[in-house]
Amino acid sequence: KNEVEQSPQNLTAQEGEFITINCSYSVGISALHWLQQHPGGGIVSLFMLSSGKKKHGRLIATINIQEKHSSLHITASHPRDSAVYICAGTGGGTYKYIFGTGTRLKVLA
Amino acid sequence: ETGVTQTPRHLVMGMTNKKSLKCEQHLGHNAMYWYKQSAKKPLELMFVYNFKEQTENNSVPSRFSPECPNSSHLFLHLHTLQPEDSALYLCASSQAQSRGLAGTGELFFGEGSRLTVL
Repeated sequence: KNEVEQSPQNLTAQEGEFITINCSYSVGISALHWLQQHPGGGIVSLFMLSSGKKKHGRLIATINIQEKHSSLHITASHPRDSAVYICAGTGGGTYKYIFGTGTRLKVLA
Repeated sequence: ETGVTQTPRHLVMGMTNKKSLKCEQHLGHNAMYWYKQSAKKPLELMFVYNFKEQTENNSVPSRFSPECPNSSHLFLHLHTLQPEDSALYLCASSQAQSRGLAGTGELFFGEGSRLTVL
């Protein structure tokens, strides 16, 4: 069992739908990261958060430290949002990033 | 454009070849990393360089040999690889807060080098 679990593993949505991707972790962390990986392979950092909520455009990330759970929401989804979304934890006394296996999102036009 | 450039983007090599992957970061960061990404597995940390010193070797086989000549360049030398080494190899950099605390800052990734070992 991974220390960072994501759900769902795969997600297909219609354009315009509201999307939620979940991340649960079983280790102590000081920050939770959401990353986006496009088909070409490159990974871009979307959010780094340690409490509460952050918003960037149509993307919203939340974290509940007590429940060890984070969610990534995409409002008004678009085909260009199609990518793999990865959550990762850092801190807790170590510099290592602990990665989830990713959620593959496909948004259909 | 993340400020981290990897070359080549694609590499096909036989098991007896020797090749190298190159990573360059233009962000002024002091920590650089090699990660391996295999299908349906989480990203695996291979090596960490913090202030040009290797601070982590995550039980990586000796057929992978990293080199960090300066804080903005990182290489991964490959020799006598196995087909199971085929994967996407990602380089990343971050600004560590101090020596020994590499990775406490946000990671910036390159586009990756997709390696196929025949």
